[in-house]
Amino acid sequence: DAKTTQPPSMDCAEGRAANLPCNHSTISGNEYVYWYRQIHSQGPQYIIHGLKNNETNEMASLIITEDRKSSTLILPHATLRDTAVYYCIVGDSWGKLQFGAGTQVVVTP
Amino acid sequence: DTGVSQDPRHKITKRGQNVTFRCDPISEHNRLYWYRQTLGQGPEFLTYFQNEAQLEKSRLLSDRFSAERPKGSFSTLEIQRTEQGDSAMYLCASSSTSGISSYEQYFGPGTRLTVT
Repeated sequence: DAKTTQPPSMDCAEGRAANLPCNHSTISGNEYVYWYRQIHSQGPQYIIHGLKNNETNEMASLIITEDRKSSTLILPHATLRDTAVYYCIVGDSWGKLQFGAGTQVVVTP
Repeated sequence: DTGVSQDPRHKITKRGQNVTFRCDPISEHNRLYWYRQTLGQGPEFLTYFQNEAQLEKSRLLSDRFSAERPKGSFSTLEIQRTEQGDSAMYLCASSSTSGISSYEQYFGPGTRLTVT
């Protein structure tokens, strides 16, 4: 079973920041937080991951709370191409990914 | 294109028939994963290989399912005596055990199976 809880859907205006929350209260000390997204009819795409510290790459930023029980994925300037299902996953550094239902993000003009 | 490729992209079969799917991972990746995704759900893990060794299998992988990765390169997933409940998207992913991208799984486009 998925170890994360995400809202089923959210809307975001184009050009604005999208903040996607995720709860993972049962995360263990050696588990990472991963974010993937899946655009309709495509395979999932890796976005970012983190263990304890906040992370940033060219796609997004990941903010992890100090107790590691929740995190937020930030898309700084959402575009229409960011419309997708976003999955928050916790897991070890090498193994299977246990996807939940994810958050359907719709970016509107 | 050096991404993960899957063949076929679509397969329609009649109940009771056997089907086989192929996945070609990124060439330097030694880990290969199979997932299954039904409509409206996130992908579910089926099995994974490191090189040619199958290291983990999900309870979802019934006796009718078998996966191989004979030379540690491409992989095949076979479903015997297909059932309507096997209709799904079958996704393959690969990853490396070294380097900065070792945490990232690269997914293929999937094979959509329809069992009639």
